[in-house]
Amino acid sequence: QVTLRESGPALVKPTQTLTLTCTFSGFSLTTRGMCVAWIRQSPGKALEWLAHIDWNDDKEYSTSLKTRLTISKDTSKNQVVLRMTKMDPVDTATYYCARVGVEAHGYYAGLDYWGQGSLVTVSS
Amino acid sequence: DIVMTQSPDSLSVSLGERATINCRSSQGLLHRSNNKNYLAWYQQKPGQPPKLLFYWATSRKSGVSDRFSGSGSGSDFTLTISDLRAEDVAVYYCQQYKTISWTFGQGTKVELK
Repeated sequence: QVTLRESGPALVKPTQTLTLTCTFSGFSLTTRGMCVAWIRQSPGKALEWLAHIDWNDDKEYSTSLKTRLTISKDTSKNQVVLRMTKMDPVDTATYYCARVGVEAHGYYAGLDYWGQGSLVTVSS
Repeated sequence: DIVMTQSPDSLSVSLGERATINCRSSQGLLHRSNNKNYLAWYQQKPGQPPKLLFYWATSRKSGVSDRFSGSGSGSDFTLTISDLRAEDVAVYYCQQYKTISWTFGQGTKVELK
């Protein structure tokens, strides 16, 4: 059974750095083809992809946020960590981590399992 | 980045009727590696994370009702919900994952008429 759970602070101050952890089970990021992504959703708004990291430690970032984001993994703990610097009130959102589905031959097949999300409020 | 545009932004449908949601990408989503369109559809109900409905535009995820169907290719895609039920009330998103920078549509809210 695949599960993911986000954890981190509920409140951060402007200019601070946010660190979120995604702890997962039911799969391993050492398995060829596996990948985990971070997505956020501001209140009442659409989904926004932030970053993803794969089994080979290849990382991709949102074009608009890449200077502020760092994604990393700890395969021994089954965790993926997202850091976002220079937080601003507009970054208030629910942050989700999700597994990237993989079909035959390692082709990506959408985001097939999601965590429940972690609401982060940016306020002084 | 590829821009994903959904239409309409919202629609009201009667129980038992059909709902049709369109998604257009600013670039084609056909991936030459496996000749698949890298387009996914998600359903999000209030207070819940999104749920994957379709990947590769037309491949229904296991467990998803066959009242849902995905179609389209290239840069124009459609999600159709047949025989709408109250449990289908949600916001639906398309997402492209062809390029290294993934993007979502703005969402389409489906309500009951």
